[in-house]
Amino acid sequence: SQTIHQWPATLVQPVGSPLSLECTVEGTSNPNLYWYRQAAGRGLQLLFYSVGIGQISSEVPQNLSASRPQDRQFILSSKKLLLSDSGFYLCAWRVTSYEQYFGPGTRLTVT
Amino acid sequence: GNSVTQMEGPVTLSEEAFLTINCTYTATGYPSLFWYVQYPGEGLQLLLKATKADDKGSNKGFEATYRKETTSFHLEKGSVQVSDSAVYFCALSDMYYGGSQGNLIFGKGTKLSVKP
Repeated sequence: SQTIHQWPATLVQPVGSPLSLECTVEGTSNPNLYWYRQAAGRGLQLLFYSVGIGQISSEVPQNLSASRPQDRQFILSSKKLLLSDSGFYLCAWRVTSYEQYFGPGTRLTVT
Repeated sequence: GNSVTQMEGPVTLSEEAFLTINCTYTATGYPSLFWYVQYPGEGLQLLLKATKADDKGSNKGFEATYRKETTSFHLEKGSVQVSDSAVYFCALSDMYYGGSQGNLIFGKGTKLSVKP
């Protein structure tokens, strides 16, 4: 069966520091991968999606970037964090059907 | 463009009460429709889905019917429990038109609190 992992689970970082969040999927091949952010008390904001290795689409211009170095690995990065980057970051995957399956999330607090 | 509108929350109910969370959508074509649930501090879980008009999705006592004539997909449960307290998201599939990758479009979420 398929599983999705995200780490770290929680992270506290100062403003201006770099960021790297990792997502990996097991048990499937060539998934579409997604990064979402959920600010406190708000809905989901799609940040990036990827249909294959090295293929990244950005939905919202910002100081974040994403990479997909391997088929089942998706990384979210920043060179310098802002206070507004705080939130709950969710990774998701899907294959042939439309439904997406989400990871457990990373809680990021920028201080 | 395609969009999803959910009723504003929070919704507070007593245990064993009847639940309805309204969801309406705007879409071209015939999207698939979904309900997701998010428990505190966790990721989203797929609760149920419907892929064509008049389909009824059901899971864990929750139901939703794909109504094309009213462009709605309301979530219902006959008797809620404290353990159903969570945020519920309605979503539709953005079809493969004009370069779209078939991503999901989510509503803003409805927080449900069930009191014993």
